[in-house]
Amino acid sequence: NAGVMQNPRHLVRRRGQEARLRCSPMKGHSHVYWYRQLPEEGLKFMVYLQKENIIDESGMPKERFSAEFPKEGPSILRIQQVVRGDSAAYFCASSPLQGSYNEQFFGPGTRLTVL
Amino acid sequence: AQSVTQPDIHITVSEGASLELRCNYSYGATPYLFWYVQSPGQGLQLLLKYFSGDTLVQGIKGFEAEFKRSQSSFNLRKPSVHWSDAAEYFCAVGASGGGADGLTFGKGTHLIIQP
Repeated sequence: NAGVMQNPRHLVRRRGQEARLRCSPMKGHSHVYWYRQLPEEGLKFMVYLQKENIIDESGMPKERFSAEFPKEGPSILRIQQVVRGDSAAYFCASSPLQGSYNEQFFGPGTRLTVL
Repeated sequence: AQSVTQPDIHITVSEGASLELRCNYSYGATPYLFWYVQSPGQGLQLLLKYFSGDTLVQGIKGFEAEFKRSQSSFNLRKPSVHWSDAAEYFCAVGASGGGADGLTFGKGTHLIIQP
């Protein structure tokens, strides 16, 4: 059973461009979480999605960031008009069930660098 | 809102020595508590978790942690470290009272193993 897949692993964008980060959860998992890790910081929760639904986006910046988890295909985290402060590692995690007591399985992350 | 404090940014331990990594949390009810390990360039791997019951929990790779409600702590321990334990360790708390299912992480402790 393959783990959580994220691609690309590394992404370089210039200021003002768009970044698209993809996450394929583990087989059988319908709950996806996105986290951001700034340098020298812990992970910060961004958004929690189930298939075709955003359940909790309390950690998402109000502008330029959006996330989706369509019925088919991977979850996408989209950052429009990137700025240098968006440079970070973005991790996706998946879980088979709802509830924070369930283990979240993390992907290897996408490291975004904004020039 | 819950929060997690890991007071030690870096810890250096000799191979074969014992280890204790500190974690303090803030949460109004009984929390769900986790320890994750992150190797360089990798995602996070769950070491152990506490939900209820026995306050001493055993995890993978010989790690254990003890939940102390009176001290709001969940310290990670290992009796004898190996060079392969060098990594970043994150303590995290999940909300047991419903609401957001994203985890709240501490800033991490970087473990260095010296020969």
